[in-house]
Amino acid sequence: GAVVSQHPSRVICKSGTSVKIECRSLDFQATTMFWYRQFPKQSLMLMATSNEGSKATYEQGVEKDKFLINHASLTLSTLTVTSAHPEDSSFYICSAMREETQYFGPGTRLLVL
Amino acid sequence: SQQGEEDPQALSIQEGENATMNCSYKTSINNLQWYRQNSGRGLVHLILIRSNEREKHSGRLRVTLDTSKKSSSLLITASRAADTASYFCATDANTDKLIFGTGTRLQVFP
Repeated sequence: GAVVSQHPSRVICKSGTSVKIECRSLDFQATTMFWYRQFPKQSLMLMATSNEGSKATYEQGVEKDKFLINHASLTLSTLTVTSAHPEDSSFYICSAMREETQYFGPGTRLLVL
Repeated sequence: SQQGEEDPQALSIQEGENATMNCSYKTSINNLQWYRQNSGRGLVHLILIRSNEREKHSGRLRVTLDTSKKSSSLLITASRAADTASYFCATDANTDKLIFGTGTRLQVFP
């Protein structure tokens, strides 16, 4: 149990376009999901906490208008990278909270040209 | 930065040897977790140890926690080539949020 999926697994887009990434908990309900960003050979940096039915909580330095988060149901959170720029290219990973443990999705690799 | 530190940053061993990774953190915690990440993939949860526990085992994994020193170690015994991955510790700092360590890249040669 505790499976989390992400879609798409990789995406290439042009500068200025928006990209939506979905995170789903497949076999459990998650009132809290998290979005992370990871640069090559580095650790995960928390971007925001996504709470079902309420606004996301963003970490310091993360632009909420740039990275739109919607947690419309207990099994789905979406991250939309708006007006993407090459510096937004990264590996984005979500996790869903079940009891004390965060279970991670497989990640989405975003490349902005 | 609140990020934890892990050492070594990289570790190369032969199959059958044991691998030990250490993690230090900065704040008080409810629990500490270890995760594994294969290159370009998501994280796999390995083990959770609570702040009132000192040692925990799961298969070939042994985790220790010393809250007085704010440190933890992960021991993988009888390593296999399939254990090749990056290993991260993560602490909760008494919240739901996880703070990840810098990670240890483990390479196990057959």
